[in-house]
Amino acid sequence: QVQLQESGPGLVKPSETLSLTCTVSGGSVSSSNYYWNWVRQPPGKGLEWIGYIYYTGSTNYKPSLKSRVTISVDTSKNQFSLKLSSVTAADTAVYYCARVDVSSGYFGAFDIWGQGTMVTVSS
Amino acid sequence: QSVLTQPPSASGTPGQRVTISCSGSSSNIESNTVNWYQQFPGTAPNLLINSNNQRPSGVPDRFSGSKSGSSASLAISGLQSEDEADYYCASWDDSLDGVVFGGGTKLTVL
Repeated sequence: QVQLQESGPGLVKPSETLSLTCTVSGGSVSSSNYYWNWVRQPPGKGLEWIGYIYYTGSTNYKPSLKSRVTISVDTSKNQFSLKLSSVTAADTAVYYCARVDVSSGYFGAFDIWGQGTMVTVSS
Repeated sequence: QSVLTQPPSASGTPGQRVTISCSGSSSNIESNTVNWYQQFPGTAPNLLINSNNQRPSGVPDRFSGSKSGSSASLAISGLQSEDEADYYCASWDDSLDGVVFGGGTKLTVL
């Protein structure tokens, strides 16, 4: 059974870079059937898609975050990562990694989610 | 302001049927599939309905999804207390070239 687990600092200072890693177990980030995503949820608010990466390294980011976001993949460690630069308090949120099945030829649903990790931006 | 529009709240009594709407546009719901997620407080969202009306394994058949034009709906029949949760719709948006979510609907079982 595929599982995702986020890891990284829970506290980041304003203007610094938020860095998180998602470790995939029971499956492979090198599979051609999936896109690997980051989604976040500010406290008390809704879900926001950040972006995804394919095992080839191809990425797609939410336009409003594109200038600050980098998602990378490490197939040797079966992990993918998120970097969000120049953070502000508005970036405080629970960050989830999630898998999307693309084997049908279109962007499917987020079928597997990590448990989420809370990141607070504060000095 | 979310791209997909959901009512912020919905409610029903045990045994009732409730529906949650999700309104979009030609660039998202009308031209792409809709997925629904259920989220309990303090936990990650869970896929409830994919591809407009498909239930993943393990999801009770009390949950059903439909789509018409640029709108979609989630229906829950035989409402149970354990259905009390937040529900989100989501779809790909061709104009934004990304995933868009609804703002979420908090379902209360009275």
